[in-house]
Amino acid sequence: GDSVTQMEGPVTLSEEAFLTINCTYTATGYPSLFWYVQYPGEGLQLLLKATKADDKGSNKGFEATYRKETTSFHLEKGSVQVSDSAVYFCALRDPLGGNNRLAFGKGNQVVVIP
Amino acid sequence: EPEVTQTPSHQVTQMGQEVILRCVPISNHLYFYWYRQILGQKVEFLVSFYNNEISEKSEIFDDQFSVERPDGSNFTLKIRSTKLEDSAMYFCASSEGTGSGNTIYFGEGSWLTVV
Repeated sequence: GDSVTQMEGPVTLSEEAFLTINCTYTATGYPSLFWYVQYPGEGLQLLLKATKADDKGSNKGFEATYRKETTSFHLEKGSVQVSDSAVYFCALRDPLGGNNRLAFGKGNQVVVIP
Repeated sequence: EPEVTQTPSHQVTQMGQEVILRCVPISNHLYFYWYRQILGQKVEFLVSFYNNEISEKSEIFDDQFSVERPDGSNFTLKIRSTKLEDSAMYFCASSEGTGSGNTIYFGEGSWLTVV
């Protein structure tokens, strides 16, 4: 079935550092890919998305490129701020695989230290 | 910006009790969902609902679970007889449609603790 794998463990980094969170997927069809973010005490918010190969989603300085050849959708930001501290979830939706559900990765806690 | 709202934000219940989690989806959305996240685990799909019926459900969504849209605005998840392993954050979500261009919007979640 469809699944998403995120790199293990929390990510701690200093303000203005470069952030990368790895995400790979398996899917039966041709999925759309998403990054959701959960700030402390809040719900899941869509951060960015890409619906076809080589698409780049971007928002708030974050970027991710849909790489079909490596089945990846890694999240990057060039210079993080303390306010970026949150949990980041990679997800896919594969309607051609027969359903409309989102399949999520485990999430990565990102802590940005001033 | 319109948002999905959920109540309660946190509920503690005794094992075996019935629980109803409530959600108000975004008003012009037609598709409604419940997801859950057990502490330390992935966010998991439970059920989707469209046109007053379940359109899809996961293997987690067994006979203990039910969903309902009792009026034009609320969407509820009922757990008939809670078990310890039902302790989780439950997220309600909604979307206008199901195509790749449609975003699924989530609420802030309801923490359920079964003791």
